[in-house]
Amino acid sequence: GDSVTQMEGPVTLSEEAFLTINCTYTATGYPSLFWYVQYPGEGLQLLLKATKADDKGSNKGFEATYRKETTSFHLEKGSVQVSDSAVYFCALSDLGDPNAGKSTFGDGTTLTVKP
Amino acid sequence: DTGVSQNPRHKITKRGQNVTFRCDPISEHNRLYWYRQTLGQGPEFLTYFQNEAQLEKSRLLSDRFSAERPKGSFSTLEIQRTEQGDSAMYLCASSLGTASNEKLFFGSGTQLSVL
Repeated sequence: GDSVTQMEGPVTLSEEAFLTINCTYTATGYPSLFWYVQYPGEGLQLLLKATKADDKGSNKGFEATYRKETTSFHLEKGSVQVSDSAVYFCALSDLGDPNAGKSTFGDGTTLTVKP
Repeated sequence: DTGVSQNPRHKITKRGQNVTFRCDPISEHNRLYWYRQTLGQGPEFLTYFQNEAQLEKSRLLSDRFSAERPKGSFSTLEIQRTEQGDSAMYLCASSLGTASNEKLFFGSGTQLSVL
């Protein structure tokens, strides 16, 4: 079945540091890939997505590139801010079955950015 | 667009009792999903509806769990004869379209504690 593996946290960085959160996946079909973010006290919200190989999703200074050859979708940001402190979830949805509705999530990586 | 609303926010119950949660999706969203999340884990798919039809149900879902979306609008998730292992955050999400790779909009969840 489908699965998503994220680098374990927590990750603690100083403000303006470079961020990478690794994500690799296993899928039977041809998945779309997502990063969701959960800020303290809030629900999950979509950060970015990519639907085909070599696509780059980007939002709020975050980027991730869909790498089919390495089955990866690593999240990066060049300069983090305190306000980026949150839990980040990598996820996939598989379009192989049009009735298949589920998204498969990784276990999340907690990021803390210190001033 | 008032977002996905879930009630109650918290539910404490005794083992063996029945509980029911409600989810109001974003108006006119076709798909509605239920996920379960435990501490340190990512959301785990339970079931989803397209309009009023329940199209997929996780094989991990016990027959004590039942969900409905009677008029294709709000949904309820009922757990009968609760067990301590049912303690978790129950998340509802909705999406506008019917493709598997649509953006999910999550509610803030219902935290269930079974004593």
